[in-house]
Amino acid sequence: DVKVTQSSRYLVKRTGEKVFLECVQDMDHENMFWYRQDPGLGLRLIYFSYDVKMKEKGDIPEGYSVSREKKERFSLILESASTNQTSMYLCASSLYQPSTGNEQYFGPGTRLTVT
Amino acid sequence: AQKITQTQPGMFVQEKEAVTLDCTYDTSDPSYGLFWYKQPSSGEMIFLIYQGSYDQQNATEGRYSLNFQKARKSANLVISASQLGDSAMYFCAMREGRTSGTYKYIFGTGTRLKVLA
Repeated sequence: DVKVTQSSRYLVKRTGEKVFLECVQDMDHENMFWYRQDPGLGLRLIYFSYDVKMKEKGDIPEGYSVSREKKERFSLILESASTNQTSMYLCASSLYQPSTGNEQYFGPGTRLTVT
Repeated sequence: AQKITQTQPGMFVQEKEAVTLDCTYDTSDPSYGLFWYKQPSSGEMIFLIYQGSYDQQNATEGRYSLNFQKARKSANLVISASQLGDSAMYFCAMREGRTSGTYKYIFGTGTRLKVLA
């Protein structure tokens, strides 16, 4: 079974703090993704990575950065947290096999509150 | 631009009845994939079913089936014999063509399903 874990289920931070969200997958997947989920907006892609040290901006990268130093770990960094970054953050991983579905496997999510 | 539309923000269904959750998509890529995920109140997204754009038959997985109508660009999820445990948020998603070294995925805004006893 694919397992994607996230470092915290709930996190409360102050405005201006630097915040690290960690994600680890145990199935040797090439691809990893960070989304934020807000009511009525669905999931929006922040950043993704298709290999170690490779990263690509998603649809809403502003205010975020990422790091992928090892294949199994993908970190999301909020350089200076702001209240509009209060959200649910979901990490996902997937294989890259053109002949198959390549469904994503998700972690349990981190509900971040910035006060 | 690629897009996923789920027009039903919320739905109710009686236990043991079937329910259809709507999803339409828009893409100019001839090769794409369509997915449905379930998100219970616990928050974790659970993969339910997949349909490839070249698949001739509709996908089925147990009580879930995907009604794929390519010409209409729709990929509705059908849940048969609803159970109380089916109460959750359901997301339709599309895998875009290969760019930037891998696939990207876009999601709809979700449909919240409530199964009534």
